[in-house]
Amino acid sequence: DQQVKQNSPSLSVQEGRISILNCDYTNSMFDYFLWYKKYPAEGPTFLISISSIKDKNEDGRFTVFLNKSAKHLSLHIVPSQPGDSAVYFCAASGGQAGTALIFGKGTTLSVSS
Amino acid sequence: DTGVSQDPRHKITKRGQNVTFRCDPISEHNRLYWYRQTLGQGPEFLTYFQNEAQLEKSRLLSDRFSAERPKGSFSTLEIQRTEQGDSAMYLCASSLGRNEKLFFGSGTQLSVL
Repeated sequence: DQQVKQNSPSLSVQEGRISILNCDYTNSMFDYFLWYKKYPAEGPTFLISISSIKDKNEDGRFTVFLNKSAKHLSLHIVPSQPGDSAVYFCAASGGQAGTALIFGKGTTLSVSS
Repeated sequence: DTGVSQDPRHKITKRGQNVTFRCDPISEHNRLYWYRQTLGQGPEFLTYFQNEAQLEKSRLLSDRFSAERPKGSFSTLEIQRTEQGDSAMYLCASSLGRNEKLFFGSGTQLSVL
């Protein structure tokens, strides 16, 4: 049973436009959410996080939105750049998951110039 | 600096052989995690240490898998009697504490022939 779901395996966006990556979760006890970016043959790299007490967190071109009632979070990248092309993973922790981060399956973002 | 270091980067072995991987976390991090990632999936949690104590294990960690973190520094993950289904990327990560971001190493790619 997947507790963190990324239902879009891929997303294609033009350079300069907004990229929106979505993530849904089922465990209402999750209290910490993160987005990671991964290039081939490398480990995931942390992008941005949000605590369940907030509904938005912004860092430069990256903004994460959390909707607790819908158990949904999204990552907005504005403006998108070709170097943003990578696999993006949503992750969550808390509750019975304990301290381990539970990851979604990822969304492959392709930004074309 | 030194981020999280994993060795080896690649390992090819024959079915039935034992393999051992090493992870050196960021020095001031007291939490160390092992994850496994297969193609098309997100990282799956295997086990976690706080200092030298192994505090959580996933049901994915069969009895052929064992992990240690002597003296709370580096960690090793051993797989005994490898099977083809063990082929995956094994990722190590470390963090300062709960609800702190995880820093991942580049992983060890295991291929079991």
